[in-house]
Amino acid sequence: DAGVTQSPTHLIKTRGQQVTLRCSPKSGHDTVSWYQQALGQGPQFIFQYYEEEERQRGNFPDRFSGHQFPNYSSELNVNALLLGDSALYLCASSLQGAGANTEAFFGQGTRLTVV
Amino acid sequence: QKEVEQNSGPLSVPEGAIASLNCTYSDRGSQSFFWYRQYSGKSPELIMSIYSNGDKEDGRFTAQLNKASQYVSLLIRDSQPSDSATYLCAVRVDTGRRALTFGSGTRLQVQP
Repeated sequence: DAGVTQSPTHLIKTRGQQVTLRCSPKSGHDTVSWYQQALGQGPQFIFQYYEEEERQRGNFPDRFSGHQFPNYSSELNVNALLLGDSALYLCASSLQGAGANTEAFFGQGTRLTVV
Repeated sequence: QKEVEQNSGPLSVPEGAIASLNCTYSDRGSQSFFWYRQYSGKSPELIMSIYSNGDKEDGRFTAQLNKASQYVSLLIRDSQPSDSATYLCAVRVDTGRRALTFGSGTRLQVQP
């Protein structure tokens, strides 16, 4: 049973550039959420995708955008990168129809460094 | 006030002891509660979920929830050096929202 997979695992970008991160959810899951985790902090919710639509968004600027494909995989795009965007980006998958008792499982993350 | 608060630690316990990790939350609408373990440089790994008041046991782990006090805890019995990690408390308000709100984590050190 394939777990949540993310790519790439590490990435170095220059300020002002754009980046795309990818996530494939756990088999059987239909919902993908993205989180940003700065060093020493807990993950912060960016947004969630279900049925190819953004369903909920955290307190992140419009530079952060995403997409979900028909196979439930997802992309996170960040434009005009800032040094402060350097973080571990985590994708979590879950099953929307599982009701209240649904658990979220994380991929291994993408470590983004902006220089 | 942070939505989910945890003592950052480090919490240091000897091998074989019980480690007690605590978490408080501010949103009374929170209905689902989770503990994740995160090793340095790795992603969070789900170890426990709890949805109703009381205790839930899974192996060496026990989660405790008290919604009236807005308090959730994790007990680790017979702590092992391999339990040394950061433990993240996460809560979710299940009223159509599925986002998890995390605390900053408690770093646990189990001394051999």
